[in-house]
Amino acid sequence: NAGVTQTPKFRVLKTGQSMTLLCAQDMNHEYMYWYRQDPGMGLRLIHYSVGEGTTAKGEVPDGYNVSRLKKQNFLLGLESAAPSQTSVYFCASSPGTSGLDTQYFGPGTRLTVL
Amino acid sequence: KQEVTQIPAALSVPEGENLVLNCSFTDSAIYNLQWFRQDPGKGLTSLLLIQSSQREQTSGRLNASLDKSSGRSTLYIAASQPGDSATYLCAVRPRDSSYKLIFGSGTRLLVRP
Repeated sequence: NAGVTQTPKFRVLKTGQSMTLLCAQDMNHEYMYWYRQDPGMGLRLIHYSVGEGTTAKGEVPDGYNVSRLKKQNFLLGLESAAPSQTSVYFCASSPGTSGLDTQYFGPGTRLTVL
Repeated sequence: KQEVTQIPAALSVPEGENLVLNCSFTDSAIYNLQWFRQDPGKGLTSLLLIQSSQREQTSGRLNASLDKSSGRSTLYIAASQPGDSATYLCAVRPRDSSYKLIFGSGTRLLVRP
């Protein structure tokens, strides 16, 4: 099993450009999440999905959109990138949300917006 | 609003030392608390998960405790090794939004040979 994979690993954008980050999991998990991690801060939830075809907003959703057309994939889109979106983005998945369920994380995408 | 704090932000110890990392949270209404390890340029790996009804969990040289009433958790690492060098993050799952994890900002640990 590859677990959770993210594409690309690194990306540099200019202000106003758009891009899509791809997350894939092969564990048949229902729940998927997108987080961002900024220096000196913990991870913050951007959007999440409780199953194929569903999405919901997290703590910091502004400037991002997501889609979950297939159970194994969760896409994060930036329509018009801003320097404030320079960050490391992590995708995660979990089988459910019981007290025993942990989240499994991908290796991250380092995004720089100039 | 739930807030998670980790102190210290960075720690440097000689190999072989026992050490304690601290995590505090402001709201005791949680499902569980988890400790993660993050290596540079990599994702997070779950180390220990303590359910709200539990007091501690152990895995090898790691022991995590939970005191909900005081809003504190500690991660104890015995006989530290250079391979333990990483950032350690704690996260709580609040009862009012079971899908969400609230993370602390982490403790960056360096174990010197």
